[in-house]
Amino acid sequence: DGGITQSPKYLFRKEGQNVTLSCEQNLNHDAMYWYRQDPGQGLRLIYYSQIVNDFQKGDIAEGYSVSREKKESFPLTVTSAQKNPTAFYLCASSIGSDYTGELFFGEGSRLTVL
Amino acid sequence: GESVGLHLPTLSVQEGDNSIINCAYSNSASDYFIWYKQESGKGPQFIIDIRSNMDKRQGQRVTVLLNKTVKHLSLQIAATQPGDSAVYFCAENKGPSSYKLIFGSGTRLLVRP
Repeated sequence: DGGITQSPKYLFRKEGQNVTLSCEQNLNHDAMYWYRQDPGQGLRLIYYSQIVNDFQKGDIAEGYSVSREKKESFPLTVTSAQKNPTAFYLCASSIGSDYTGELFFGEGSRLTVL
Repeated sequence: GESVGLHLPTLSVQEGDNSIINCAYSNSASDYFIWYKQESGKGPQFIIDIRSNMDKRQGQRVTVLLNKTVKHLSLQIAATQPGDSAVYFCAENKGPSSYKLIFGSGTRLLVRP
């Protein structure tokens, strides 16, 4: 089935460690996104990519990094510079150039810093 | 500033009743609005969308109403079922070329049996 796969579903990290969250899509979508979700809050955009080898910062990019070397993959690294990384991270994709607003989301990755 | 918000954080309804979830937006330039449903521990799922040149759009058991005069968006769910229990988000997009969605904080819908 087509969709977005995020891994791992749960991740624990010690302070000072970098972690990378995986996001793979087989929908042949050009655009991919990373959102952060905190309890009782809406989704906030971290980074997005409209096309391979290109990406832009979202509203809360500090302490995060991404790459887009392949169309189907958009990994997110949460660096030690991110001061409050414990959150639920959601990856999404959309068709891209004819963007209509419909995002397809993965199941999310929950990161907890110990 | 730009914001999308919700009037009620939690809505409890009886199974079989209709549900209405409300959302206020502040950016009059937004021309596209979307509702998402998020079940516990899962990613949001697209429910329905509406463009600013429309006042109403219907789907299967769901209807979205847009009142541009008062910048208000609502999602109506007919004959609410236990499977409708989730958090519902409204979001606005500034147009077909925009890659930025602004999400509201969400409303939790609880369906009583």
